[in-house]
Amino acid sequence: DAGVIQSPRHEVTEMGQEVTLRCKPISGHNSLFWYRQTMMRGLELLIYFNNNVPIDDSGMPEDRFSAKMPNASFSTLKIQPSEPRDSAVYFCASSLEGRTGRRRNEQFFGPGTRLTVL
Amino acid sequence: TQLLEQSPQFLSIQEGENLTVYCNSSSVFSSLQWYRQEPGEGPVLLVTVVTGGEVKKLKRLTFQFGDARKDSSLHITAAQPGDTGLYLCAGVRWGNSGYALNFGKGTSLLVTP
Repeated sequence: DAGVIQSPRHEVTEMGQEVTLRCKPISGHNSLFWYRQTMMRGLELLIYFNNNVPIDDSGMPEDRFSAKMPNASFSTLKIQPSEPRDSAVYFCASSLEGRTGRRRNEQFFGPGTRLTVL
Repeated sequence: TQLLEQSPQFLSIQEGENLTVYCNSSSVFSSLQWYRQEPGEGPVLLVTVVTGGEVKKLKRLTFQFGDARKDSSLHITAAQPGDTGLYLCAGVRWGNSGYALNFGKGTSLLVTP
């Protein structure tokens, strides 16, 4: 089975440009998470969807960031305009969230997109 | 907000040595997870501990959840170069809107032959 798929794997862009990161979760999973990882701040949750609905976006840094999940098999994270401080590795993760065994939920991470904003 | 503190931040040891890494918090979690991340890849779940005082073993790795469910430790016996990676702990919190993982910054482990 394919795991979580992210594209592109690497993105280099100039300050002010729009960046769109893409994620395909594992088929059948009902929860999707976007994270950002930097050396300084570690792994931070940006936004969390359940059944395609945004549940918690309190981690989204500012209005320049937006995320969508138009269907169960696709999500995007958009940065517009991008800034050098947005440089990081962005991970998408998915899980099957259920009330049975709720304390054992496992998140499956994609390989990440390494974003560099010059 | 970083709720979980991991120590040490970096650890370099030789093959065959034992080591322990720690994950501490002032908050209580429903459960706690340990992940390992290799360069260029996403984190992969190693174990979930649920009950205070719980101990789980995964081959040479021993995980313990504190009695108060605020802290955890990971002990590796006879480390091997294949154990090299970033070890992340994540506290699981459940709320009305679902659950969230709060990650520590990780312990970067290097095991040299």
